[in-house]
Amino acid sequence: DGGITQSPKYLFRKEGQNVTLSCEQNLNHDAMYWYRQDPGQGLRLIYYSQIVNDFQKGDIAEGYSVSREKKESFPLTVTSAQKNPTAFYLCATDRGRGLSSYNEQFFGPGTRLTVL
Amino acid sequence: GEDVEQSLFLSVREGDSSVINCTYTDSSSTYLYWYKQEPGAGLQLLTYIFSNMDMKQDQRLTVLLNKKDKHLSLRIADTQTGDSAIYFCAESTITGGGNKLTFGTGTQLKVEL
Repeated sequence: DGGITQSPKYLFRKEGQNVTLSCEQNLNHDAMYWYRQDPGQGLRLIYYSQIVNDFQKGDIAEGYSVSREKKESFPLTVTSAQKNPTAFYLCATDRGRGLSSYNEQFFGPGTRLTVL
Repeated sequence: GEDVEQSLFLSVREGDSSVINCTYTDSSSTYLYWYKQEPGAGLQLLTYIFSNMDMKQDQRLTVLLNKKDKHLSLRIADTQTGDSAIYFCAESTITGGGNKLTFGTGTQLKVEL
């Protein structure tokens, strides 16, 4: 059963704590992305990775960190430096660079992070 | 730069048509997409249109693209309560970093009985 899994679905964190959100895929996609969703603001790109052991900052990378040690996994750490971390976090994948510019992104079910 | 705008809310009666609009600014967009998000879930691709097309129809969905005005719309015929969701348009541009999607703010569609 191919797809993207994100865990946990709900996450609560105390102020000042780091927390790591998991994203795993078995679609054999090269590219993986992390987005943050806030009401009325759409999706904003945090980090993305086109290939293992490489990743790039997106539009709102401050206070976040990622790693890409395996093709299947792209965990996101929300650090204490992120001033307003309460949001819905979505992981996505696609085939990455290719001959066709059509490249559908597939999304995981999301993790809702709440800072107490 | 890229900027994609949508109205935030739309309310329609069941059985009517819904039209969700989107404007974008990047004329180099290659593909434009419509995604649907149900409450508490991820996004699912509904349909897409290549930038050299004017219209695409897929069952109850019709996508219209006016490239001159950089305007994209999604029409849902015979809207049902199951169509209640947030709809995002997204434009795709090819950069050195690969395929970049820029999403609109999302339109919350509410279908009333």
